[in-house]
Amino acid sequence: GENVEQHPSTLSVQEGDSAVIKCTYSDSASNYFPWYKQELGKGPQLIIDIRSNVGEKKDQRIAVTLNKTAKHFSLHITETQPEDSAVYFCAASRGESNDYKLSFGAGTTVTVRA
Amino acid sequence: ETGVTQSPTHLIKTRGQQVTLRCSSQSGHNTVSWYQQALGQGPQFIFQYYREEENGRGNFPPRFSGLQFPNYSSELNVNALELDDSALYLCASSSVGTQYFGPGTRLTVL
Repeated sequence: GENVEQHPSTLSVQEGDSAVIKCTYSDSASNYFPWYKQELGKGPQLIIDIRSNVGEKKDQRIAVTLNKTAKHFSLHITETQPEDSAVYFCAASRGESNDYKLSFGAGTTVTVRA
Repeated sequence: ETGVTQSPTHLIKTRGQQVTLRCSSQSGHNTVSWYQQALGQGPQFIFQYYREEENGRGNFPPRFSGLQFPNYSSELNVNALELDDSALYLCASSSVGTQYFGPGTRLTVL
């Protein structure tokens, strides 16, 4: 099965600085890579996703890059704000037919210092 | 807000008991997936339902079972509860791949 590794496990950044989280995956058939943000006591919230036919995607302060050859993808948050503090999860899926089972990384706890 | 709702919010059971968790999917979504999230870990896939049929299952024993109804809402049933079943149970609804999660049900097994 798919194995997703995520680094770092914790990340502390100064407000206004950038944060980068990296993930690797093992299944070369994976072609869908979402990122979720989870705040305390809440379910994961989709913040951005990328499919394997795209190398990079941006949405305001958030960007995701994908390197299919190396089987890794990264989340970049620029101009961090205190409300960006949360646990972030990467995930991977084959996206076959109607089977979009997600395999998640272990999560990165991001703390933005004011 | 994703439009995915789950009930109950919290639940306390004792070892050996049975539990049923419920999920209402977002309008227009015909697929529901269930995940188990232990404290400090990423969600683990339990199973997925598409148009009332099981459509994939993760590495969970048969005492974890589910249903999907004609309105695409879903139930997760767990029999013979064990202490290790204590976790946040998440459901996610989707239409064409992208999964939107509910707030989860926190299950504590004593």
